[in-house]
Amino acid sequence: AQSVTQLGSHVSVSEGALVLLRCNYSSSVPPYLFWYVQYPNQGLQLLLKYTSAATLVKGINGFEAEFKKSETSFHLTKPSAHMSDAAEYFCAVTRRSNDYKLSFGAGTTVTVRA
Amino acid sequence: GAGVSQSPSNKVTEKGKDVELRCDPISGHTALYWYRQRLGQGLEFLIYFQGNSAPDKSGLPSDRFSAERTGESVSTLTIQRTQQEDSAVYLCASSLRRVTTDTQYFGPGTRLTVL
Repeated sequence: AQSVTQLGSHVSVSEGALVLLRCNYSSSVPPYLFWYVQYPNQGLQLLLKYTSAATLVKGINGFEAEFKKSETSFHLTKPSAHMSDAAEYFCAVTRRSNDYKLSFGAGTTVTVRA
Repeated sequence: GAGVSQSPSNKVTEKGKDVELRCDPISGHTALYWYRQRLGQGLEFLIYFQGNSAPDKSGLPSDRFSAERTGESVSTLTIQRTQQEDSAVYLCASSLRRVTTDTQYFGPGTRLTVL
């Protein structure tokens, strides 16, 4: 069975600093990988996804993630944090054989300090 | 255009009562998904519809949970004889076809509290 581990349930960064959210997956074959964001009192929104094209994936709001097969990782980064990035972020994975069933990590809450 | 909508937004019920949660997907989206989000946890897959067919019900926690979908439109998630452990936010999502090729759009969720 596939699973996703997000390291760190809470991350605090200063405005303008690098945002790094870690995600590791366990899967016998390379899966499809996703990052979602949930802003306060809003529904989940897709940030970006990896579906076996380029390993460096660019998403909305300046976020990007790199798929590293050797490390089974799909970490999310943003060079410069903005106050509006405060939200909860979820990494998710699905298998190619049943590419509808997303397995989500527990989430990482990001707070941005002025 | 209209996004995925869910009703009610909040539901408080007593243990043992039945509840129905409704999801209106984006028009034209053939795929519809239900998830559960317990406090402090990630989303848990419940069920997936392709059209009005549910090829995968493996995520439903028990036989107290059921779901149906009318054509490629509204879906209802029913929980019978609710228990306190059913308290969670229930999220619905839809996509044009598959989640890997088409963006999955989420509704705002229904917060269920079982007293």
